[in-house]
Formats: sequence, C-alpha cells, structure tokens
Amino acid sequence: KAGVTQTPRYLIKTRGQQVTLSCSPISGHRSVSWYQQTPGQGLQFLFEYFSETQRNKGNFPGRFSGRQFSNSRSEMNVSTLELGDSALYLCASSLTHGGTDTQYFGPGTRLTVL
Amino acid sequence: SQQGEEDPQALSIQEGENATMNCSYKTSINNLQWYRQNSGRGLVHLILIRSNEREKHSGRLRVTLDTSKKSSSLLITASRAADTASYFCATVVTGGGNKLTFGTGTQLKVEL
Repeated sequence: KAGVTQTPRYLIKTRGQQVTLSCSPISGHRSVSWYQQTPGQGLQFLFEYFSETQRNKGNFPGRFSGRQFSNSRSEMNVSTLELGDSALYLCASSLTHGGTDTQYFGPGTRLTVL
Repeated sequence: SQQGEEDPQALSIQEGENATMNCSYKTSINNLQWYRQNSGRGLVHLILIRSNEREKHSGRLRVTLDTSKKSSSLLITASRAADTASYFCATVVTGGGNKLTFGTGTQLKVEL
C-alpha cells in the first residue's frame, strides 16, 4: 500500500496570503489528523477529520481550517498568514477514529512565510 | 501544550551501544506511541503500546509502560549510525479520539 502523501512538499508565501495544503491518507483509512511542528512549540495537534466531519480540534485560531472529502483526502487552509505560521505541517492517517489504531504520518509540507 | 517531558533531551553514544529514552505523561491514556523523525522529515511509527500492556518488542526496540508512574521508556539495542534521529513519544488519552499529544523529543546521535 502507498503511504500517506502530502502536497506540496515546500511552499513559500508572504504575510497576509492564504495557503491550502493537501493530504491523501493510506487507502482504506478514514481518519486524517493535522499537526504543526515548530522549533519553539514542538508538535501540536490542529484537528482531526473522520467521515468528512471534524471530530477534534486543537487550540489554534480560526485562521486554521480544514475539510475532508468523501474519498478521505483532506485539505488544510491557513488564511491571513503570519510569520509565526512558518512550520512543518504533518498529516497522519488512521483506520478509525477511536484512538486505538496506529497513526501513520506523511512526509510533511514545509511552509515558509516571508 | 506538551503532554509531558522526554529525558534526556539529547543523547550521544557509540555504534553498538544501547540507547534508552524516557517519556513521562500527565493524564490517563488509551495508548502510547513512539515515533522517529529524521532531520525535519515526516514521523516514522515505531511501536504502539496499549495501557493494559507493560512491555513490547519490535526488532531491536523494546518499549515499557508503567501507568502507575505515568512513564514509558524506549530501548534501542546495538545502535547503528542509521538510528541517528529524534525520537518522540505521543499519548492518546481515553475519549480523545485520535489526538496525539507529543513529548518534547530526544535527539539521538550514534557515532561510528
């Protein structure tokens, strides 16, 4: 089976712009979660989607949003970018939502905000 | 916020030696997972240990879990230069869905 894929791998934006990141889970996986990784804050949970519904949300401002499609692919959007949004954004896929399954991560999207 | 701390923050050993990393967490958990990350790339899953398990093995990896002390350890035996990476523990709390709460990580360097 193919692993979790994320596109694009690298992105450079300027302050005030918006960005959309994409994540395709492992075939058959229905849960997709997003994480932000920065040197200062480490790995932080953004949100989780399962069956096209947001099931869990981290402590991030409303500028961060996401959605999941019927094929389980997920997108994450960040509007009005700030310098502090520069980070590695990782998505993880899992079979179910129950918290009992292994979560597999993609290679990440490196976002740089200038 | 981080669930807990990992100890040590950095570890440097010689190839062939064993490496032990510790993780502490704060709340009751459903399971605990260990991941490896090479140079800012994606996270590679190593082992998942459930709250009712005390020890698990996978190849050269051994993970223990002590729920009474809210701690876990990862042992890598006979380390290789290719094991050089950052290692993170992550907990899934009961009723928290798939949300992983990560520790601060241990940077392991294995020298030839």
